[in-house]
Formats: sequence, C-alpha cells, structure tokens
Amino acid sequence: DVVLTQTPPTLSATIGQSVSISCRSSQSLLHSNGNTYLHWLLQRPGQSPQLLIYLVSRLESGVPNRFSGSGSGTDFTLKISGVEAEDLGVYYCVQGTHAPFTFGSGTKLEIK
Amino acid sequence: QVTLKESGPGMLQPSKTLSLTCSFSGFSLSTSGMVVSWIRQPSGKSLEWLAAIDWDGDKYYNPSLKSRLTVSKDTSNTQVFLKITSVDTADTATYYCARADFDYWGQGVMVTVSS
Repeated sequence: DVVLTQTPPTLSATIGQSVSISCRSSQSLLHSNGNTYLHWLLQRPGQSPQLLIYLVSRLESGVPNRFSGSGSGTDFTLKISGVEAEDLGVYYCVQGTHAPFTFGSGTKLEIK
Repeated sequence: QVTLKESGPGMLQPSKTLSLTCSFSGFSLSTSGMVVSWIRQPSGKSLEWLAAIDWDGDKYYNPSLKSRLTVSKDTSNTQVFLKITSVDTADTATYYCARADFDYWGQGVMVTVSS
C-alpha cells in the first residue's frame, strides 16, 4: 500500500500567519493517464472531512484562495496564506492513484 | 445539490455482520466515471478507505479487509451498501461514504461493537 507521511503532526499558528503542510508518498502518485490523484481535506472538529484541493493544485469550488497546493511525484505541499480562525482542524492528504486509496495521518492546526 | 447520508445499527455485538447504507441524491451512480467509496475513522484517529463501487458495478476493496467486505448498490443507483462480517471491537468507528474524488461526504454514522 502507498504510505503518505504528513508533517508536521501539529501546527500552531497566529491569525494571518502563513503555514505549510507536507505530504510525502512512498511511491509516485502520477497515474498512467497523466493525472496525479493527490487531494487535501480539512476535518473541522465534529464534522466530516471536506475537500479543499484536488489533483494536487486545483481549488475546490467555494474554498478560499488562501489555500493552495503544489508538488509532483512523491512530494506535495498544502499552503495556507494567512490563517483564519475557521481554518482550525485536522488536514489530511489522500491519494487515489493506487488502490487501496490511502490517507495521511493528519496535521492538526491550532490557532494561537 | 449533492448530499449523502449513511445509516446503520449504531451498536452491534462481536462476531455479527454490520450492514451500512449510503443514500445519496444530486448525482447518479449510473453516470460514467462515478464512484462511491466507504471510509471509516476510529475516534481520534485517521481515515481508512474500505471499499468502492463504480458506475459499471465494478467493486474495489482494501486488501487488508477484503475477505470481510461486500459492497453493492441498488438498481436505482441511489443507494450503496456495505457489509462487514465477523465484526470485533476494532471495527468501532465512524463510517462515511463519499463521492468520487472525495468531493462530497456524508455526515457519518457511528458504529460501536460491544458485547
């Protein structure tokens, strides 16, 4: 199975601060069809996960543009440019290139 | 408007079979390329993908649980089902269904396995 290693496990940020989360895959997530099925989710306390970024860098509809994704192959990054209070929760990367699909262990974002 | 909603027994005893239903609207599972997945999350832990079924009826399973899982859909393509046999306490979790590339999720249903 593909292992997704997320760092850091926890992140403490002040409002307005920019932060980044890393997701490293144990193998390339480039699919034979040319797509890279690496997505980012946010799970707010007590809620279901919601999609923020899909296919590495595409912003899901309705998601603020302070969220951005980048990367290729095995290394991916989620950046929040100017954290807001509503951004607290646990961020997960997930890969849909190789079955079984797998999730990272999560990064908990706390607001100072 | 796309919505998904999971339903299940809430609590069941070890060794029993867990049956879950994902009822959805706003899209059709008969649409080419459409997929619905089942994912679970033990309290305080990360997410685990369990199984999926696509528009063509093809089924996909997590090999770690494959012998215990059965995913299916109804003929109207508005519900997806998951059965997990021989449950034990390790199957206690919130179970979610999600569409395609995880763009829409249900609210989740909490399942507790306890004697």
